[in-house]
Amino acid sequence: DAGVTQSPTHLIKTRGQQVTLRCSPKSGHDTVSWYQQALGQGPQFIFQYYEEEERQRGNFPDRFSGHQFPNYSSELNVNALLLGDSALYLCASSLGANTGELFFGEGSRLTVL
Amino acid sequence: SQQGEEDPQALSIQEGENATMNCSYKTSINNLQWYRQNSGRGLVHLILIRSNEREKHSGRLRVTLDTSKKSSSLLITASRAADTASYFCATDSSYKLIFGSGTRLLVRP
Repeated sequence: DAGVTQSPTHLIKTRGQQVTLRCSPKSGHDTVSWYQQALGQGPQFIFQYYEEEERQRGNFPDRFSGHQFPNYSSELNVNALLLGDSALYLCASSLGANTGELFFGEGSRLTVL
Repeated sequence: SQQGEEDPQALSIQEGENATMNCSYKTSINNLQWYRQNSGRGLVHLILIRSNEREKHSGRLRVTLDTSKKSSSLLITASRAADTASYFCATDSSYKLIFGSGTRLLVRP
């Protein structure tokens, strides 16, 4: 039973560029949440996708956008990268509308130069 | 903004000792969860306690919840070097979890 998988694991971009991160949820899960974790901080909620719709959004600018596909996988897109976007981006999957246990991937480490 | 705040921010103990971490939060909750994160890796769920529960055990973990004080504690008994990690509490809020800033635990062999 595959857990949550994320790609790429590491990437380096320069300011102004755009990045796409990908996530495949745990088998049987239909909800994907994205978190940003700066060094030494706790994860900050970006947004959540359920039934291919953005259900909840955290306090992040419109440069951050996402998508969920019919197979429940998801993408996180960040446009016009800033130095401050450097962080570990975590994808978490769960089942349905409840706020029970989240299953996390290993994350995508983004460095913006 | 972060709902939960852990205390202490960092904790260093000897192997075999117990480790206690505390979490305070601000608004009413349905449940509170604790997660563990090894350096730079994904988070792993440890335990979930519902708002109508006061204490819960899982192996060497003991979690308490005091909704009147809006606080929770995580106790790790008989710690091991492998318990070295960051520990986060998370509270539910409208379909999402809000994480605290974490406690960094170092268990010295």
